[in-house]
Amino acid sequence: QKEVEQDPGPLSVPEGAIVSLNCTYSNSAFQYFMWYRQYSRKGPELLMYTYSSGNKEDGRFTAQVDKSSKYISLFIRDSQPSDSATYLCAMSAQNSGGYQKVTFGTGTKLQVIP
Amino acid sequence: GAGVSQSPRYKVAKRGQDVALRCDPISGHVSLFWYQQALGQGPEFLTYFQNEAQLDKSGLPSDRFFAERPEGSVSTLKIQRTQQEDSAVYLCASSHLAGTGVQETQYFGPGTRLLVL
Repeated sequence: QKEVEQDPGPLSVPEGAIVSLNCTYSNSAFQYFMWYRQYSRKGPELLMYTYSSGNKEDGRFTAQVDKSSKYISLFIRDSQPSDSATYLCAMSAQNSGGYQKVTFGTGTKLQVIP
Repeated sequence: GAGVSQSPRYKVAKRGQDVALRCDPISGHVSLFWYQQALGQGPEFLTYFQNEAQLDKSGLPSDRFFAERPEGSVSTLKIQRTQQEDSAVYLCASSHLAGTGVQETQYFGPGTRLLVL
């Protein structure tokens, strides 16, 4: 069983829809929870990160973390065709070397249809 | 300012050939990470450098994989005697600080797409 589980999709929605992306995890040591967006043939770029449980909002994007359930979500409001990409959840824990080691989910491919 | 750059962007190798993949991190970034991303998968950690010191190489799949960052800036990932299972995108990421225990944003390069025939 992987430490981080994410439905690979693909997920296809009409423009303007609310998108919900989710991940579950098993490692209680994870402290930081991140969402990356990856366009085709590009490297991942950080969208948002949160520390511990709670919500964080940035424009059309809202990230939620529920540590008690080991479940994180990303909501995209008023989705746009430009949001079409693969969304990777990622989590990190303090490593014995003193740095935060990041573990990624498999990514969910999202397509927003105009 | 320039982001993280990687070269070559694409590499086709015959099985058994050695390859070298280069990463130019953002200037002044202390931390540098290499990841391997197989088709349809998320990036998997390979190794971590803090300046020139390789502090973690636990993700390297075999002793055919070797990484270095001799002057604490540019890094090279070398794969000896390539195998078909090495086909993947190799991503490099850098971040500003290190060892603070705080999650630092990692900035990724575009990756090198390696195909081993």
